[in-house]
Amino acid sequence: AQKVTQAQTEISVVEKEDVTLDCVYETRDTTYYLFWYKQPPSGELVFLIRRNSFDEQNEISGRYSWNFQKSTSSFNFTITASQVVDSAVYFCALSEAGNFGNEKLTFGTGTRLTIIP
Amino acid sequence: DTGVSQDPRHKITKRGQNVTFRCDPISEHNRLYWYRQTLGQGPEFLTYFQNEAQLEKSRLLSDRFSAERPKGSFSTLEIQRTEQGDSAMYLCASSTGGANYGYTFGSGTRLTVV
Repeated sequence: AQKVTQAQTEISVVEKEDVTLDCVYETRDTTYYLFWYKQPPSGELVFLIRRNSFDEQNEISGRYSWNFQKSTSSFNFTITASQVVDSAVYFCALSEAGNFGNEKLTFGTGTRLTIIP
Repeated sequence: DTGVSQDPRHKITKRGQNVTFRCDPISEHNRLYWYRQTLGQGPEFLTYFQNEAQLEKSRLLSDRFSAERPKGSFSTLEIQRTEQGDSAMYLCASSTGGANYGYTFGSGTRLTVV
């Protein structure tokens, strides 16, 4: 069975500091996808990134970067020079190629990030 | 492309009443999912449609829950005889499937059972 663990329940940092959100996953499949979503107070899940299990290259998008390490089953997310608008709950999720093309997502419990001005 | 729309945004109902939620997916997405999110938790999978066929249901989906997707377009999720434990955010998502699939969530329907 697949599982996603986000051990950090809440993190608070002062604006402009860097912050890393941890994600550890478990799966028996060799083909899978990893995701990060942002959930602001409005409630909508905002897609941030999708990586497939065959692409271990780290990715940078503006102030966001992701570190995928298969050896440790981790997919960590770093925000550089944090801003107040980054305050939200962040979810890591895993998808396997399921039955009938069901690529359902298994989510972690989320990390609530608060950026203090 | 107007994204995934869900209606209503909020619903307050008395215990024992029936409620129905609607989801309009992105038009070219043939896959549709329902998830439930309780306070402090990540979303949990409920059910999956490919076009009009409901292909998988989670064991979280009790007999009081039913979902439909007539003609493979919009979907409805009905909860009969609501219980306080049904209070949650109900999220709909749609996807194209395949190696480069996109997966888009709606804003959700927040259900409060009093």
